[in-house]
Amino acid sequence: AQSVAQPEDQVNVAEGNPLTVKCTYSVSGNPYLFWYVQYPNRGLQFLLKYITGDNLVKGSYGFEAEFNKSQTSFHLKKPSALVSDSALYFCAVRDRYNTDKLIFGTGTRLQVFP
Amino acid sequence: DVKVTQSSRYLVKRTGEKVFLECVQDMDHENMFWYRQDPGLGLRLIYFSYDVKMKEKGDIPEGYSVSREKKERFSLILESASTNQTSMYLCASRPKNTEAFFGQGTRLTVV
Repeated sequence: AQSVAQPEDQVNVAEGNPLTVKCTYSVSGNPYLFWYVQYPNRGLQFLLKYITGDNLVKGSYGFEAEFNKSQTSFHLKKPSALVSDSALYFCAVRDRYNTDKLIFGTGTRLQVFP
Repeated sequence: DVKVTQSSRYLVKRTGEKVFLECVQDMDHENMFWYRQDPGLGLRLIYFSYDVKMKEKGDIPEGYSVSREKKERFSLILESASTNQTSMYLCASRPKNTEAFFGQGTRLTVV
């Protein structure tokens, strides 16, 4: 069965420092992988996706993510965090050969301190 | 820009009421989804639809039903609302093989 794990409930980082939000996945075939961000009392906004090709994917707001097939990971990164990056981040996976279902992790709250 | 609109931002309903949550998308997407979001549990799929009048159960369909009479509209129905259905409900749509677009969410409180 498809699953996604986000091992950290919260990540704290100082403004200007690099940030990493971790995600690991399990699917039966090759995955489609996604990152979304949610600001308070809002829906989810798409950040970036991995479908195929380059393992390093660049997305919105300076975020990037690295697909690592051997470690089944898709960690979200940013070289220099901003206070405005503070939000709830969700990783999601879909098995391209299976169904149209998109399975989400439990979310990681990112807190960037000034 | 893709727009997914949920009819209400906040709803308060009484136990036992029949509740309708409406979602409309303006981009002719085939697939539409209903999720509920609870702290510590992330987003859990309730139902999804890949075409008009077609629906499939997600991971937590109990206590819910859905309706998709037109391609742009996907309704979530709570037949008899209960307090354990108090949650944030998120609707999403997407074309095939790409990312999903989400509505702003409906925070439902059942008292």
